[in-house]
Amino acid sequence: DAGITQSPRYKITETGRQVTLMCHQTWSHSYMFWYRQDLGHGLRLIYYSAAADITDKGEVPDGYVVSRSKTENFPLTLESATRSQTSVYFCASSDSDSTEAFFGQGTRLTVV
Amino acid sequence: QKEVEQNSGPLSVPEGAIASLNCTYSDRVSQSFFWYRQYSGKSPELIMSIYSNGDKEDGRFTAQLNKASQYVSLLIRDSQPSDSATYLCAVNQDNYGQNFVFGPGTRLSVLP
Repeated sequence: DAGITQSPRYKITETGRQVTLMCHQTWSHSYMFWYRQDLGHGLRLIYYSAAADITDKGEVPDGYVVSRSKTENFPLTLESATRSQTSVYFCASSDSDSTEAFFGQGTRLTVV
Repeated sequence: QKEVEQNSGPLSVPEGAIASLNCTYSDRVSQSFFWYRQYSGKSPELIMSIYSNGDKEDGRFTAQLNKASQYVSLLIRDSQPSDSATYLCAVNQDNYGQNFVFGPGTRLSVLP
């Protein structure tokens, strides 16, 4: 199906484990983003990518790693999960400059 | 990081009334503005985008932008219980790329 999809939708992991959240879009949008959403903080940008092989830090990048070898995929890796990374993670994509961002369904991650 | 602020909620209006949601932003060079609606447990979905000063109407929704005052608002006419959601204001702060900054959101409840 066309659009932007995230997997998994729900994930429980233990402190210290590495976990990767997947994001795939079929629109060939140039830009892709990872946000986390927490009560009291709204949506905060973790990392973004302007094109394949181009990534940059957002507001809260510590503890996260991204890559973008293909335009359609933008995985987010938590290298060593901590409880403070328990959150809902949203991937989004956008076409050219100044156009809106479209969001995936979100991944609810719990670190125990 | 420049800021985007929204009127604190929750905001309650009776069915059929006009709901007014407000947003201010701090970065004067911002040119693109968006309103997203987010139902509980769901991802944000775009309602309106606005780029020029003035009003933009789409059905029951009207976005208003005043760049001189750094203010953008969303009016919902004939509010329905199905409009009950959190409304997020987003500002693209990078005119040479994409840098969406989201406000904390305003929770709207439309009472039958």
